[in-house]
Amino acid sequence: EIVLTQSPATLSLSPGERATLSCRASQSIGSSLAWYQQKPGQAPRLLIYDASNRATGIPARFSGSGSATDFTLTISSLEPEDFAVYYCQQRTNWLFGGGAEVEI
Amino acid sequence: EVQLVESGGGLVQPGGSLRLSCAASGFTFSVYSMHWVRQAPGKGPEFISVITSSGDATFYADSLKDRFTISRDNSKSTLYLQIDSLRADDMAVYFCARERGGYYLDYWGQGTLVTVSS
Repeated sequence: EIVLTQSPATLSLSPGERATLSCRASQSIGSSLAWYQQKPGQAPRLLIYDASNRATGIPARFSGSGSATDFTLTISSLEPEDFAVYYCQQRTNWLFGGGAEVEI
Repeated sequence: EVQLVESGGGLVQPGGSLRLSCAASGFTFSVYSMHWVRQAPGKGPEFISVITSSGDATFYADSLKDRFTISRDNSKSTLYLQIDSLRADDMAVYFCARERGGYYLDYWGQGTLVTVSS
């Protein structure tokens, strides 16, 4: 079973700063990785699919990169609404990573 | 506008059963694979099951396949999840979601809460 490991678990930053989140797969998954954002009391929201494609309506400050086993979600300049939990998900067995919180 | 609305959650005793529903609108339900995902309090999303657009194939998380059954009625644009032998660790918000590209979930419902307690 392919496992996704996210790091760091918590990222403490200020508005305007750059956030870099990592997702590592236990085996190669090509580019079949998605990223989601979740705020308290809400369903996850799709941000990125196929490692680097922004979903509809997602601001350009969100970008994804990587392939095989190492993937990165970057938020170029944090807005107040970006403080949330972020999850990665892969194709092989649809499993999610453990999550990473971006906190103020 | 794409909408997914879950229902059927609530309080159930350990060992009981529930059938969750997900009513879809705003898109052609019959051409999309659909997922159920759950999220326990303070935890991340957990994949439960996926069903293909026609309903001819289903897949389950290895740890959940024995007690969960996914199904769909394309004539009613509705997705279902039958959960049997409910346990305390099944307590969670259950979401339905639409699949694109073979794996990622582009639309989610608001979720329905399942509480297991005597």
